[in-house]
Order: sequence, then structure tokens, then C-alpha cells
Amino acid sequence: KAGVTQTPRYLIKTRGQQVTLSCSPISGHRSVSWYQQTPGQGLQFLFEYFSETQRNKGNFPGRFSGRQFSNSRSEMNVSTLELGDSALYLCASKPTGRFQETQYFGPGTRLLVL
Amino acid sequence: GESVGLHLPTLSVQEGDNSIINCAYSNSASDYFIWYKQESGKGPQFIIDIRSNMDKRQGQRVTVLLNKTVKHLSLQIAATQPGDSAVYFCAERENYGGSQGNLIFGKGTKLSVKP
Repeated sequence: KAGVTQTPRYLIKTRGQQVTLSCSPISGHRSVSWYQQTPGQGLQFLFEYFSETQRNKGNFPGRFSGRQFSNSRSEMNVSTLELGDSALYLCASKPTGRFQETQYFGPGTRLLVL
Repeated sequence: GESVGLHLPTLSVQEGDNSIINCAYSNSASDYFIWYKQESGKGPQFIIDIRSNMDKRQGQRVTVLLNKTVKHLSLQIAATQPGDSAVYFCAERENYGGSQGNLIFGKGTKLSVKP
């Protein structure tokens, strides 16, 4: 099976702009989670989607949003970008089923905000 | 390559030695723990996981030990190889009365293997 894919891999934006990142989970996986990774804060949970519904949300401002489509692909959007939003954004998918807990990560999207 | 942490604890070992990476977790209600390896420029890669009803679990060249009394998790890598050089993260999943929370990651440990 192909792994989790994320597009684009690299992105440069300026403050105030908005950005949309895309994630395609492993085939058959219906749960998709998003994380932000920075040198200072490490890996922080943003949100999780399952069957097109947000199931869990981390402690991030409302500028961060996401959605999931019927084919389980997910997008996250960051509006009104700030310098501090520069980070590696990681997407992870998880199989469905009891005791299916392992999340598999994609390569990430490196966002630089200037 | 990319740096995923500028001030990470670093463990330096000689090729062929065993490595032990430690992690303290925060919540006694956590019921699931997982180790990831992240190489420069890549996303975290699953290594091994363990549930709270176990103390030890073994994989290929890796062993995870869980000590719930002191809320401590360790990852042992046998016969460490240069390809094991990476940042290693532990993560815990909190369980709130049957409702599973999200994964909470530690800051990571950088493993450097000297040939």
C-alpha cells in the first residue's frame, strides 16, 4: 500500500495570507490527524477527522481549520498567517477498528511564513 | 538536513552497542504508548507500541519497557547501526473514562551512532 502523502511538500507564504495543505491517507484508513511540529514546541496535535467529522481538537486558535472528504482525504487551512505558523505540518492516518491505534505519518509540508 | 529540535537531549553510542532511550510521561490515565523515529526531512516512522496492560514488548532489535509506577517508558535498540541515527519520540494517549484522547508527544531524543 502507498503511504500517507502530503502536498505540497514545501510552501512559502507571507504574513496575512492563507494556506491550504492536503493529505491523502493510506488506502482504507478513515481517521486522519494533523500535527504541527516546531523546534520549540515539538509535535503538537491540531485535530483529528473521522468519516468527515472532526472528532478531536487540539489547543490551537480558530485560524486553524480542517475538513475531510468522503474519500477520507483531508485538508487543513490556516488563515491570516503569522510568522509563528512556520512549521512542519504532519498528517497521520490510522486504520479503523478496535485496537487499531497506530498512526502512520506522511512526510509533512514545510511551511515558511515571511 | 532539517532540524526537528534545536535543543534536544542527545544520546551518542558506538555502532554495535545497545541504546536505551528514556521517556517520562505525564498522565497516569494514559493507556497506550508509542515510539516513533524521525529522520531528517522525513515524517515520524512507527517503531513499536505498547498498551498499559503490558510491561514489555519486543520487536525486531527493539524492546519497549513500561513502568507505570514511575510513569516511565524506555526504548532499547540492540546492536545499534548508523541507520538508527535519528530523533526518537515517545507519545502517550490519554484515556478519559473510556474516551480516548489524542497522542501527546515528548520533545524527542536525538540518537547519534558513531561508526
